[in-house]
Amino acid sequence: RKEVEQDPGPFNVPEGATVAFNCTYSNSASQSFFWYRQDCRKEPKLLMSVYSSGNEDGRFTAQLNRASQYISLLIRDSKLSDSATYLCVVNMERAGGTSYGKLTFGQGTILTVHP
Amino acid sequence: TAGITQAPTSQILAAGRSMTLRCTQDMRHNAMYWYRQDLGLGLRLIHYSNTAGTTGKGEVPDGYSVSRANTDDFPLTLASAVPSQTSVYFCASSYSGTGELFFGEGSRLTVL
Repeated sequence: RKEVEQDPGPFNVPEGATVAFNCTYSNSASQSFFWYRQDCRKEPKLLMSVYSSGNEDGRFTAQLNRASQYISLLIRDSKLSDSATYLCVVNMERAGGTSYGKLTFGQGTILTVHP
Repeated sequence: TAGITQAPTSQILAAGRSMTLRCTQDMRHNAMYWYRQDLGLGLRLIHYSNTAGTTGKGEVPDGYSVSRANTDDFPLTLASAVPSQTSVYFCASSYSGTGELFFGEGSRLTVL
């Protein structure tokens, strides 16, 4: 089983739609969680961190379920500019340890928003 | 602000040749990383460095070496390239290793 698994998609949705991505992780000791966005042939960039209580940033909502070991990303009112690959990222190392910051990436979920 | 710079942007290399991918950051970040990205496999960590003078192995270190002589530079060397090392390579840095990585624009390497 992969350490971080995502549905690769692709998800094709019309503008204005709501779309949700899920991601599961295998290590119950994982400490921190993130969603990154990667545009075609570009580098990944941080979209948002995922907090235990859930968090929202405009049209984007991230949630964490530690008991079931999954995180989710909800995008409301999709825009054409949301078309990208969304990467689920998990930090399985403790901060301050000898190897902090070794983030494990999911393979990404492709989203295409069409007119 | 330059952020993190990689070179070359792309390269075609004959199998058996050596190659060094350069990575420089001007953000004074402690931690630096090298990832490779392959279709269907996502980003996989090759090597990392938590601070200048130290390095560690990631998930796929074989065939690669790194050094961290100072805070800013983190070169990745392929001593004898093989076709399976054809990939897009991303260098990244992080201030505290707590999660936000800043990536370079990537180096596309083709080994023939």
